[in-house]
Amino acid sequence: GDSVTQMEGPVTLSEEAFLTINCTYTATGYPSLFWYVQYPGEGLQLLLKATKADDKGSNKGFEATYRKETTSFHLEKGSVQVSDSAVYFCALNNYGQNFVFGPGTRLSVLP
Amino acid sequence: GAVVSQHPSWVICKSGTSVKIECRSLDFQATTMFWYRQFPKQSLMLMATSNEGSKATYEQGVEKDKFLINHASLTLSTLTVTSAHPEDSSFYICSARAPGGTSTDTQYFGPGTRLTVL
Repeated sequence: GDSVTQMEGPVTLSEEAFLTINCTYTATGYPSLFWYVQYPGEGLQLLLKATKADDKGSNKGFEATYRKETTSFHLEKGSVQVSDSAVYFCALNNYGQNFVFGPGTRLSVLP
Repeated sequence: GAVVSQHPSWVICKSGTSVKIECRSLDFQATTMFWYRQFPKQSLMLMATSNEGSKATYEQGVEKDKFLINHASLTLSTLTVTSAHPEDSSFYICSARAPGGTSTDTQYFGPGTRLTVL
């Protein structure tokens, strides 16, 4: 079946550091790819998405590019802030069916 | 954008009681809703797929008699945890898909319900 793998962390960075969270997937067909963020005690918020190969999703300074050849969707941000501290989930969705989530990566940004 | 609500947002109950969680699509009709469970510090796992007017489809390992799902209308699906036990304590999240939705743009997540069973 479909699956998503991502670095589990926790990842601890200083403010203004560069962030990369790796995500790779296994899927049949051509899934859409997503990054969701979950702040403590809250539900999921869509951070960004890409629906086809070579698409770049971006939002709030975060970026990820859909790489079909490497089946990857790595999340990057050039300068993290304390407010970015959260758990980040990489996910895929095939043709509007259920989402398949990665294990999540906990990010802590220190001032 | 489309909104999906869940009620209650959190609930504490005694072991052996049943708890009902509601998932509502507020401004669209959802032919399909999905129920996920998230244990502390873990990822979301699909529990079941709920289609309006028909029986839910459960994932392997999810007890259908324990987690009763009813999708009685195009705007409401309910998850009832029957005879809850402490190991059922979790964060339950639903997502709703609008009719004709083969695109992921037509799926929306609820804010989640935190269940604590004492």
